[in-house]
Amino acid sequence: QVQLVQSGAEVKKPGASVKVSCKASGYTFTSYGISWLRRAPGQGLEWLGRISTYNGDTNYGQKLQGRIIMTTDTSTTTAYMELRSLRSDDTAMYYCARDFIVGGTNWFDPWGQGTLVTVAS
Amino acid sequence: DIQMTQSPSSLSASVGDRVTFTCRASQTISSYLIWYQQRPGRAPKLLIYSASILQHGVPSRFSGSGSGTDFTLTITNLQPEDFATYYCQQSYRSPLTFGGGTKVEIK
Repeated sequence: QVQLVQSGAEVKKPGASVKVSCKASGYTFTSYGISWLRRAPGQGLEWLGRISTYNGDTNYGQKLQGRIIMTTDTSTTTAYMELRSLRSDDTAMYYCARDFIVGGTNWFDPWGQGTLVTVAS
Repeated sequence: DIQMTQSPSSLSASVGDRVTFTCRASQTISSYLIWYQQRPGRAPKLLIYSASILQHGVPSRFSGSGSGTDFTLTITNLQPEDFATYYCQQSYRSPLTFGGGTKVEIK
């Protein structure tokens, strides 16, 4: 079945970087983009950006522009999200999700199980 | 950015109840509205897209309606597995944005 499996929880110090992986299986990897999202404690869901698994094109949300890098490895059907210069307010559960874009509407299905990133000194 | 506001933020209900909650967009989004369910400790799950189209495999007790700025999600005959948090998302304009969620709790 279609599945996205993310890497394990991370604890980082402020100013460090984190790289989260998202292994896809059960479908043709390059037929769908991958989006990354997060939910900080007590906050709602936030879309961070997406990457085309076909050609590597990225579309980042403005908030993390300059600190976030999304990449893919088609040989291992894995997507990566790296966040640099971490701050305490980057503490959140990070999700990858398969992008569906049909007729102008865009939804996410399925989602990975989530990776908790904690930023603390 | 388009702001999405969900109400109520939480509600209490019993198994078998019919519940309805709303999602309002800060500007018109046509029918570009998606609903997700998130159970505790689980990833969000797609329920409805294009405001009213049920995702394959989602029980028919879930239904969505609305267009423009006001949308509703209705669950009839509430089941134990439906106690969760429900989020709406707009895909009319980037950046894609979500509502704050409605938590359905057991009365």
